[in-house]
Amino acid sequence: GEDVEQSLFLSVREGDSSVINCTYTDSSSTYLYWYKQEPGAGLQLLTYIFSNMDMKQDQRLTVLLNKKDKHLSLRIADTQTGDSAIYFCAEAPYNQGGKLIFGQGTELSVKP
Amino acid sequence: GAVVSQHPSWVICKSGTSVKIECRSLDFQATTMFWYRQFPKQSLMLMATSNEGSKATYEQGVEKDKFLINHASLTLSTLTVTSAHPEDSSFYICSASDTEFPYEQYFGPGTRLTVT
Repeated sequence: GEDVEQSLFLSVREGDSSVINCTYTDSSSTYLYWYKQEPGAGLQLLTYIFSNMDMKQDQRLTVLLNKKDKHLSLRIADTQTGDSAIYFCAEAPYNQGGKLIFGQGTELSVKP
Repeated sequence: GAVVSQHPSWVICKSGTSVKIECRSLDFQATTMFWYRQFPKQSLMLMATSNEGSKATYEQGVEKDKFLINHASLTLSTLTVTSAHPEDSSFYICSASDTEFPYEQYFGPGTRLTVT
């Protein structure tokens, strides 16, 4: 079946790097996503990676994909207090009309 | 671009009444819209997928007679919670996609429903 797992909490100091990890089960997933959710708000797409890529970098964000291990990570460089939020990874199983399967979300707390 | 709005942002209703939540894509045509439910500190649970002009596809365990979804145009989908009960209280989030490759879903800000 389809399942996406994340650790629930991560706490870092301002200026450090944050690494949020995710594992998924559906090897047919063509795209994998990272979303950010601030309290009481909807989801903001941060970045996505195509399944034939190993890495994608976008400013402070680096996504690493290990397809063999079905492991996805999001690294945030120079983490700021404004990065405090819940981060969701999601997979889009192939040929399911764009349906997204979300992980439980990782709550990132950035301390000054 | 790619803005999705929801209305209302929060609503309180009495048990037994019905509530309608609107989801609009403001600057693109959304051939597919998705409705999610999120409980506090939990992930998003997909309730249903709706395509413009056709019946919604509900996920297993979601009561289609209770959660009525209408996708009447390429920019509007509505979710009606019928005969609401306190256990229907939740955060409802919609997303919209133009289904162009890749599948990018743009999320609305969510609607907080409280049933008293």
